[in-house]
Amino acid sequence: GQQVMQIPQYQHVQEGEDFTTYCNSSTTLSNIQWYKQRPGGHPVFLIQLVKSGEVKKQKRLTFQFGEAKKNSSLHITATQTTDVGTYFCAGPFMDSNYQLIWGAGTKLIIKP
Amino acid sequence: DTGVSQDPRHKITKRGQNVTFRCDPISEHNRLYWYRQTLGQGPEFLTYFQNEAQLEKSRLLSDRFSAERPKGSFSTLEIQRTEQGDSAMYLCASTLGARGYNEQFFGPGTRLTVL
Repeated sequence: GQQVMQIPQYQHVQEGEDFTTYCNSSTTLSNIQWYKQRPGGHPVFLIQLVKSGEVKKQKRLTFQFGEAKKNSSLHITATQTTDVGTYFCAGPFMDSNYQLIWGAGTKLIIKP
Repeated sequence: DTGVSQDPRHKITKRGQNVTFRCDPISEHNRLYWYRQTLGQGPEFLTYFQNEAQLEKSRLLSDRFSAERPKGSFSTLEIQRTEQGDSAMYLCASTLGARGYNEQFFGPGTRLTVL
């Protein structure tokens, strides 16, 4: 069945270091969404990518959608304590017009 | 605060009991989703409403789960004869639009613990 995989599961960084999470789909996606979930919180929408090869930036966050529309990445430059949380990607489920299928997330942990 | 509210925030129940959760979406949002999330996992789709119509249910969803959205406003999710495996965070999300995949606004969730 269709799968969306994220790596790594966890990433420990020193504050000020960069962070990257990768999302890989077993099928071509029409679009991909990224969400952030703070510890104890709920997912919050960050961005949606639609076009092949698209790159979007939000301050220190850079989002990319692969040329084949099967992978995506989120890169955070110079992490801050406010970036702590789990980052999820989600894409349309192929057998549905409404469902999203979600990755398991990458947890960003800032080393003390 | 996204404007989506859920009640209760926490529920502890004994195995075999029935539980009901409520979600109040953003008022102008016509589309509503229920998800289940367990530790270390992303949200798992349960069901979807467009206005009052339930258009999709997860094939993995047990028939002990039922959801309603009367009048296309708030929604309820009921779990009958709860099992320990039902322990999870139940999230509601709403969005606007006729079709497509728009930004979803999540509520704070209801954490269910089945003893």
